[in-house]
Amino acid sequence: AQKITQTQPGMFVQEKEAVTLDCTYDTSDPSYGLFWYKQPSSGEMIFLIYQGSYDQQNATEGRYSLNFQKARKSANLVISASQLGDSAMYFCAMREGPRDYKLSFGAGTTVTVRA
Amino acid sequence: NAGVTQTPKFQVLKTGQSMTLQCAQDMNHEYMSWYRQDPGMGLRLIHYSVGAGITDQGEVPNGYNVSRSTTEDFPLRLLSAAPSQTSVYFCASRPGTGESQPQHFGDGTRLSIL
Repeated sequence: AQKITQTQPGMFVQEKEAVTLDCTYDTSDPSYGLFWYKQPSSGEMIFLIYQGSYDQQNATEGRYSLNFQKARKSANLVISASQLGDSAMYFCAMREGPRDYKLSFGAGTTVTVRA
Repeated sequence: NAGVTQTPKFQVLKTGQSMTLQCAQDMNHEYMSWYRQDPGMGLRLIHYSVGAGITDQGEVPNGYNVSRSTTEDFPLRLLSAAPSQTSVYFCASRPGTGESQPQHFGDGTRLSIL
């Protein structure tokens, strides 16, 4: 079974608007962590934001925030005030267990920001 | 401030050839891993290491070998290349502790097997 599901293969967003990227996960481990990475067309993987399963508040990092709904097993990334440089592939990934650092990745969502 | 360095960046091989993808990190990270990225499938874990002398298999280990003789280096070996191994390969590292620590990725190696 897929551990990470990203259902949106591609999205378009207007510059300066907000966009939400969906991520649902599947785990029976009470301790886990969720990561979002950005992959621009140049190919490198850039870490954006982290949410731990025991974190009481939704993570925020600049224009990035996580809408973490633990009961629904979802961790959606919100990018506010989109910029042309936000055009990229975005991956959701999960670590399971307190000391297991292997990551399971979703298939990714391509975001295209329009001027 | 090199981070994770992968060489080569591009490589074309013929079926049956062998080669080693190099990965080195200068952050003294204990944990290192190799992923492959294929269209529509995200990244999949090939092998990983929790420290020098310790390696283990990930989700898709067949056709690949690894070793970890030093903290800094984690090479990935293709023993007999197959067209199904055409992919983009990423090496990553992270500290051995700290649940919120992200993995730091190299820039990738684009490998084509003819």
